[in-house]
Amino acid sequence: EPEVTQTPSHQVTQMGQEVILRCVPISNHLYFYWYRQILGQKVEFLVSFYNNEISEKSEIFDDQFSVERPDGSNFTLKIRSTKLEDSAMYFCASRTSNEQFFGPGTRLTVL
Amino acid sequence: RKEVEQDPGPFNVPEGATVAFNCTYSNSASQSFFWYRQDCRKEPKLLMSVYSSGNEDGRFTAQLNRASQYISLLIRDSKLSDSATYLCVVNLMDSNYQLIWGAGTKLIIKP
Repeated sequence: EPEVTQTPSHQVTQMGQEVILRCVPISNHLYFYWYRQILGQKVEFLVSFYNNEISEKSEIFDDQFSVERPDGSNFTLKIRSTKLEDSAMYFCASRTSNEQFFGPGTRLTVL
Repeated sequence: RKEVEQDPGPFNVPEGATVAFNCTYSNSASQSFFWYRQDCRKEPKLLMSVYSSGNEDGRFTAQLNRASQYISLLIRDSKLSDSATYLCVVNLMDSNYQLIWGAGTKLIIKP
């Protein structure tokens, strides 16, 4: 069964450093998403991406964040200068119809 | 006011019992409704979509009341493996399937 994959599973970084979180969506899906979940809190929408551009973004997704689909398979989330409060699980999702399929997440820890 | 509101629980329920969760949403433009299940430190997984007519999938029954902006999930004959956090999720009309998440209700099934 096809699935969304994410790498790395855990990323530890120093405050102020740049991180890139990687996702490989399901191959025939057209819509891609990033969500985050701070430990013990609810899942929050960050951004949606379709046809090689951002279609929606939340207030969380400020200038420190960017997304890219550099080739036909990867979908990346970059955080330019990480802050302590960026520590969270980051989930990538993709969809073709009504259901969004989630990857296993990347746990980002900012020290 | 929270957009999607759930009782955080935990609900401690003996194996074999029936348990019901409720969820309210604030935006009347919400178009699609879902219950997701999330195990500890794992990605959310779709349990079932919720339709206006109500729908059932095995031991799980979901109901939607648009007038009251209320969604429910009923689990019959609960199993130990049902222990998880259950997330109520809505999708807004005219949105690119951006999902709005409740904080989740934690369910613990005891033997």
